[in-house]
Amino acid sequence: SQTIHQWPATLVQPVGSPLSLECTVEGTSNPNLYWYRQAAGRGLQLLFYSVGIGQISSEVPQNLSASRPQDRQFILSSKKLLLSDSGFYLCASGGSSDTEAFFGQGTRLTVV
Amino acid sequence: AQSVTQPDIHITVSEGASLELRCNYSYGATPYLFWYVQSPGQGLQLLLKYFSGDTLVQGIKGFEAEFKRSQSSFNLRKPSVHWSDAAEYFCAVAPDNFNKFYFGSGTKLNVKP
Repeated sequence: SQTIHQWPATLVQPVGSPLSLECTVEGTSNPNLYWYRQAAGRGLQLLFYSVGIGQISSEVPQNLSASRPQDRQFILSSKKLLLSDSGFYLCASGGSSDTEAFFGQGTRLTVV
Repeated sequence: AQSVTQPDIHITVSEGASLELRCNYSYGATPYLFWYVQSPGQGLQLLLKYFSGDTLVQGIKGFEAEFKRSQSSFNLRKPSVHWSDAAEYFCAVAPDNFNKFYFGSGTKLNVKP
């Protein structure tokens, strides 16, 4: 099965600072990749998904962007963080030949 | 558009009691349905999934779920809850190409001793 690596596990950043969260996947090739955000007391919101290198689809307008420079690497970024960007960010891999989504352990982002 | 509704935000049950977590979906075609569990501060683990065939699906940790097309539901059940089942549970739906997974808002389960 797949293993999803996310780092860092926790991050505290000031408002207006940049962000880069990285996710890498082992155990598969050409996966679909996803970024989800889980805000306090809310469910999982799909932010971005990618079906291949350089192919990014955004689900909701926001202050964040995503990139996929390599087949098994997915990066979530922001140029200037907002307080509302705080939350728990989860990277997932799935689709294509997989019939379930596999999740990383998440990054807890607090914007102060 | 696809959507998943979990009407119960919090549920508390006593250890040893039975459990049912509700999930309703909205999808234009045959859905692929999932239940995931999340322990605090962790990622999500798959409990079970339904694609076709027998509408009663068995999963890990003694969980099962029943797909009812007429009710657009996929409720999760467990006959006897253990304290270690306390967690947040998410229902999800995916189209048949699995290029997106949509999740419900989750149900937090507390287990009383």
